[in-house]
Amino acid sequence: DAGVTQSPTHLIKTRGQQVTLRCSPKSGHDTVSWYQQALGQGPQFIFQYYEEEERQRGNFPDRFSGHQFPNYSSELNVNALLLGDSALYLCASSFVDRAEAFFGQGTRLTVV
Amino acid sequence: AQTVTQSQPEMSVQEAETVTLSCTYDTSESDYYLFWYKQPPSRQMILVIRQEAYKQQNATENRFSVNFQKAAKSFSLKISDSQLGDAAMYFCAYRSQIYGQNFVFGPGTRLSVLP
Repeated sequence: DAGVTQSPTHLIKTRGQQVTLRCSPKSGHDTVSWYQQALGQGPQFIFQYYEEEERQRGNFPDRFSGHQFPNYSSELNVNALLLGDSALYLCASSFVDRAEAFFGQGTRLTVV
Repeated sequence: AQTVTQSQPEMSVQEAETVTLSCTYDTSESDYYLFWYKQPPSRQMILVIRQEAYKQQNATENRFSVNFQKAAKSFSLKISDSQLGDAAMYFCAYRSQIYGQNFVFGPGTRLSVLP
């Protein structure tokens, strides 16, 4: 079992550009959540996907959007990048009715 | 909304000694889960221990144990016989028992283990 895998591991983008981050959940998991972790802080919830629909959303602007595919993998898209979007983006997968979640190693996004 | 507070930004412990990391939380719910996650420099969040709020017995996992005080909304982590590999950021996290809710994380405590 490969666990939760995220790609790419590192990414550098220019302010104003768009970025897509990808997540493959742990085998069998049907729910994917995305978190933003700024340097020196705890992760902040962005949104959660289940059955290809956004179920919950944290306090993030519409520039942040996502998608879940039939195989449960997910993408996080960020438009019109700002310097403040620089962070580690973590993907977590779980069964929808279970408490525990497993995290990927994250994608480090740097906006210059 | 739930909040999680970790009042110790940094802690250090001698190898083989015991250290306790503090966490408090605020919620109006009666049923929930509490977690401690470890984040080493590799960045991957690793589950250390989990506690269900309805259980009075404190959870233990080998060298890791918690002191869960529901009335005080306190959830501390004790690491016994500290090892060099325990050095990492430790995050306390809350998750509602309501179907499919997200995690609420604290700001973290950086633990250093001194040889």
